Amino acid sequence: QVTLRESGPALVKPTQTLTLTCTFSGFSLSTSGMCVSWVRQPPGKALEWLALIDWEDEKFYSRSLKNRLTISKDTSKNQVVLTMTNLDPVDTATYYCARIQGGSYNWFDPWGQGTLVTVSS
Amino acid sequence: QSVLTQPPSVSGAPGQRVTITCTGSSSNIGADFDVHWYQQLPGTAPKLLIYTDIYRPSGVPDRFSGSKSGTSASLAITGLQAEDEADYYCQSYDSSLSGVLFGGGTKLTVL
Repeated sequence: QVTLRESGPALVKPTQTLTLTCTFSGFSLSTSGMCVSWVRQPPGKALEWLALIDWEDEKFYSRSLKNRLTISKDTSKNQVVLTMTNLDPVDTATYYCARIQGGSYNWFDPWGQGTLVTVSS
Repeated sequence: QSVLTQPPSVSGAPGQRVTITCTGSSSNIGADFDVHWYQQLPGTAPKLLIYTDIYRPSGVPDRFSGSKSGTSASLAITGLQAEDEADYYCQSYDSSLSGVLFGGGTKLTVL
């Protein structure tokens, strides 16, 4: 059974850096074709793709947020970490991680339960 | 503003059929990139509903079906049930943005 779980701070101050961890089980990011991606959803709004990392450590970012995002993986710990710099209240959202098999063209399944991050002073 | 356009809301009575459209452009759906659909029940994470335009994952009822033509894709739900009330999102890839796209989401209300 494949599961993913997001963890990180619930409250972050403006201008600070956010670090989120996705801990997964049931697959390995060293397996060919495996990828993990981050998606966020502001309260009451739509899903927004953020970043993806694949089994070869190739990284892909949302063009609009590229300068603020860094995605990395620790294969031995089954974890993917997303950092976002210079937080603003508009970054308040539920952040999800999800598995993708085969690359950016494919579907997200399954998803983690999400973690709500509020940006406020 | 999403590059994949969905109607903000649709509604239907129990037992009826509804369709949700996802309109893109020549750099995403029109370039024959696959379209995937998700169902998000209130307060929960999205769940895969349709992948690669038309395929249902195991466990998804055959009341849900997907199609694609030109620069648009559609999700059809037949035999509407109260439990189908949720938000639905389409997803594809965009070659101009070199990244993943989600639609703006459609809220389905079962009357």
